[in-house]
Amino acid sequence: GQQVMQIPQYQHVQEGEDFTTYCNSSTTLSNIQWYKQRPGGHPVFLIQLVKSGEVKKQKRLTFQFGEAKKNSSLHITATQTTDVGTYFCAGPGDMRFGAGTRLTVKP
Amino acid sequence: DVKVTQSSRYLVKRTGEKVFLECVQDMDHENMFWYRQDPGLGLRLIYFSYDVKMKEKGDIPEGYSVSREKKERFSLILESASTNQTSMYLCASTRGLAGGVNEQFFGPGTRLTVL
Repeated sequence: GQQVMQIPQYQHVQEGEDFTTYCNSSTTLSNIQWYKQRPGGHPVFLIQLVKSGEVKKQKRLTFQFGEAKKNSSLHITATQTTDVGTYFCAGPGDMRFGAGTRLTVKP
Repeated sequence: DVKVTQSSRYLVKRTGEKVFLECVQDMDHENMFWYRQDPGLGLRLIYFSYDVKMKEKGDIPEGYSVSREKKERFSLILESASTNQTSMYLCASTRGLAGGVNEQFFGPGTRLTVL
C-alpha cells in the first residue's frame, strides 16, 4: 500500500488562529482523501483530491494537492472550537492512513 | 444514509479467549476494512477485503484473521486474545469504484479491553 506521513502530530491553537496539517508520500498518489474524527467519534470523510495542483475549499477549510501529487495539506482559517478533533489523510486503494494531526482549540 | 454497524461498542475479554468482532454495512459496498486505532499511532490497517471470500493483509495482520462469507459482513477474529490487542477497532466500507470518489464509511468502533 501507499504509505503517507502526516505532520504535526499535535497542534494547539488559540481560537481564531489558523491551522495547517501536512501529508507526504514518497510515491505519486492517484488521489488523496481527508477525514475528521471528533473526540469520541469515528472518522468522517471530508474530501477527495485527484488533480495535480488541485485546491478545494469548504467554508474555512482549504485543501491542496501538490503539483507532483506527493503531498497535500489541509488549512483551517480562523479556527473555532468546533474544529477540535483529529484530521487524517489517506492514500488511495487499500486506504493507508496517516497518523493524524490532533487539533485542540483554546477558546 | 449509509450505515456501518459494529456488534459491540465495548468489549472486555480475557487473555487467550477467541474474540469475534462483527461489522455489517447496508449499502452493498464491495470493499471492507478493519483498522485498529491507538493513541499516537493513528489508524493502522489490519485486513481488508475487495469481495466475498477475498481477504488481503494490511500492515499489522499478526494475531488476527478475518472472514467475509457475505458481501455485507466482515468479521475480525482474534484467535487468542492478548493484552497488546487492547485497542479501538474500527470497521469501514467503500463502494470501490474505479476512478470515482471512494469515500470510506466508518462504523462507531469497538473498544476492546483484554485482561
